[in-house]
Amino acid sequence: GQNIDQPTEMTATEGAIVQINCTYQTSGFNGLFWYQQHAGEAPTFLSYNVLDGLEEKGRFSSFLSRSKGYSYLLLKELQMKDSASYLCAVRDRATGAGSYQLTFGKGTKLSVIP
Amino acid sequence: GAVVSQHPSRVICKSGTSVKIECRSLDFQATTMFWYRQFPKKSLMLMATSNEGSKATYEQGVEKDKFLINHASLTLSTLTVTSAHPEDSSFYICSARDPGQGGNSPLHFGNGTRLTVT
Repeated sequence: GQNIDQPTEMTATEGAIVQINCTYQTSGFNGLFWYQQHAGEAPTFLSYNVLDGLEEKGRFSSFLSRSKGYSYLLLKELQMKDSASYLCAVRDRATGAGSYQLTFGKGTKLSVIP
Repeated sequence: GAVVSQHPSRVICKSGTSVKIECRSLDFQATTMFWYRQFPKKSLMLMATSNEGSKATYEQGVEKDKFLINHASLTLSTLTVTSAHPEDSSFYICSARDPGQGGNSPLHFGNGTRLTVT
């Protein structure tokens, strides 16, 4: 099974940097995904980590430490439109179609204030 | 990029009726699609894995007779909520991955269906 923890809510100021943490406990591990979800909409893919280290993509970066069961999503130069929920999701090592199943954390609701 | 289309986006129905939700992969073939459910301020919960040409695999606690899944083609999966009740009101989201993008490709989500049962 999977256990994924992330903070429920965070608030940050426009133009600042914010780090959203995610810890996981899994029976197997085959990648960690970050998704952004605006209220009432479907999640959109942000980043993917399967090896330790930092993946950078524009204003968004994601870090993974497999030994610690830990990841974070870093958002730079925050904009008002970044106000959304950020979901951490883990894929385990199940075979077949199950290997593409994701288990989601409860999400972190980020509020960006002026 | 891979696009997943879901229809309808919003539906209101009376208790006891059935509702069908369609999920289509528009520019790729998806042998497997996933159906999720999300309650307000809660995380996405996997309901079932839809397999083209075979029976769906349901997660523990999900009633297969209530949530009928049909995956008749490589681009279409449907979820039918039978005899809907107010407690079935939720946000239903389908997803699929494009195998052509490699083994580490992400899931792409449809825009979701907001079901309200009165």
